[in-house]
Amino acid sequence: DIQMTQSPSTLSASVGDSVTIPCRASQSISSSLAWYQQKPGKAPKLLIYKASTLESGVPSRFSGSGSGTEFTLTISSLQPGDFATYYCQQYNTYPLTFGQGTKLEIK
Amino acid sequence: EESLVESGGGLVQPGGSLRLSCVASGFTFSNYWMHWVRQAPGKGLVWVSRIRGDGSSTTYADSVKGRFTISRDNAKNTVYLQMNSLRAEDTAVYYCTRLLDRDMWGQGTLVTVSS
Repeated sequence: DIQMTQSPSTLSASVGDSVTIPCRASQSISSSLAWYQQKPGKAPKLLIYKASTLESGVPSRFSGSGSGTEFTLTISSLQPGDFATYYCQQYNTYPLTFGQGTKLEIK
Repeated sequence: EESLVESGGGLVQPGGSLRLSCVASGFTFSNYWMHWVRQAPGKGLVWVSRIRGDGSSTTYADSVKGRFTISRDNAKNTVYLQMNSLRAEDTAVYYCTRLLDRDMWGQGTLVTVSS
């Protein structure tokens, strides 16, 4: 199985900051990488797919980059609603696998 | 409006069985692969299983293979997850999802395996 690693598990930032959340795959997954946002008690919400394509309706302050094994999610000008947990997911090979998540907290 | 609504969760003893259902509405259900993803309390997301739109192909995570069965009834716009030989580690919220294909998720249903 392809292992997805997200580190750190928690990130602290302030409203208005820009943050970058990294994700690493244990082997090359080309650009088959998605990013999800999850808030407590809610289902995940797709933000980005194909490593850098913004899902319809997602604000442009979210962006993704990378290919192969190294990927990043960048959130510019953090808004209060952006404080949540973010998961990367590879869909290059089954079983699909998720990173363990990065919780973005208010500093 | 498109929606997915799961049901069937609850408390079950180890070794027991449970069947989850997910009713879809607002889209042509048979056109889509459907997936189940679970999340243990306070933990991350884990993909469980998928089924092709016509029901002809299924895939499972190793952790549930041989114990869980995914199926669908396109006439009822419903996907099922039959869970047998349940273990404590199967305790989780189970989400039905049209993963990555005009991505959408249900609200989840909680399965608790405990004596």
